[in-house]
Amino acid sequence: NAGVMQNPRHLVRRRGQEARLRCSPVKGHSHVYWYRQLPEEGLKFMVYLQKENIIDESGMPKERFSAEFPKEGPSILRIQQVVRGDSAAYFCASSPRERPGEASNPEAFFGQGTRLTVV
Amino acid sequence: ELKVEQNPLFLSMQEGKNYTIYCNYSTTSDRLYWYRQDPGKSLESLFVLLSNGAVKQEGRLMASLDTKARLSTLHITAAVHDLSATYFCAALNQGAQKLVFGQGTRLTINP
Repeated sequence: NAGVMQNPRHLVRRRGQEARLRCSPVKGHSHVYWYRQLPEEGLKFMVYLQKENIIDESGMPKERFSAEFPKEGPSILRIQQVVRGDSAAYFCASSPRERPGEASNPEAFFGQGTRLTVV
Repeated sequence: ELKVEQNPLFLSMQEGKNYTIYCNYSTTSDRLYWYRQDPGKSLESLFVLLSNGAVKQEGRLMASLDTKARLSTLHITAAVHDLSATYFCAALNQGAQKLVFGQGTRLTINP
């Protein structure tokens, strides 16, 4: 949706390389969510971050995956030593407050996604 | 743990017909979202439903929420080809901060 910028849009990595996915939230939003979408499936929650804090990482694989949202700059989802199973679309969403949808309109805006292909 | 299930997962229908997509969720949720996704694209917000009995309509789409039955529906009236897409519902747990998505319903509308 308008304002959440993800880059790159497409990323190809060889097995064993590192993938870095970036998400710039809507200006003024301090809450960022990362989701993964495997082909033909729904979105699976990975991690929820506020500035400089990881609030909920219950959906993150225990190894090779990490996320950060520094005080300055975009949120980064980092995947080390990628494997073919990491190939997916990774979506970022941002919200101005803790619980998306406090108002009558949705306030969790999704970016265009990064499509990661591991070859 | 909140689980969200949609049915059907695939739906092929003719233009002009009506149909309903169902979204069941397993535990109490105080808001329910519907999104549309076109192939290779991001998610487009359609509706957010905040209370029992809530009904929202936009064009040929109408969404409703029954919190007692833990059921939301997305009704399509007189379908047109432009509505072909995958539709997702997502629920937010009370006190939680993350959306849990259904598997999606891939809707194909044939002329």
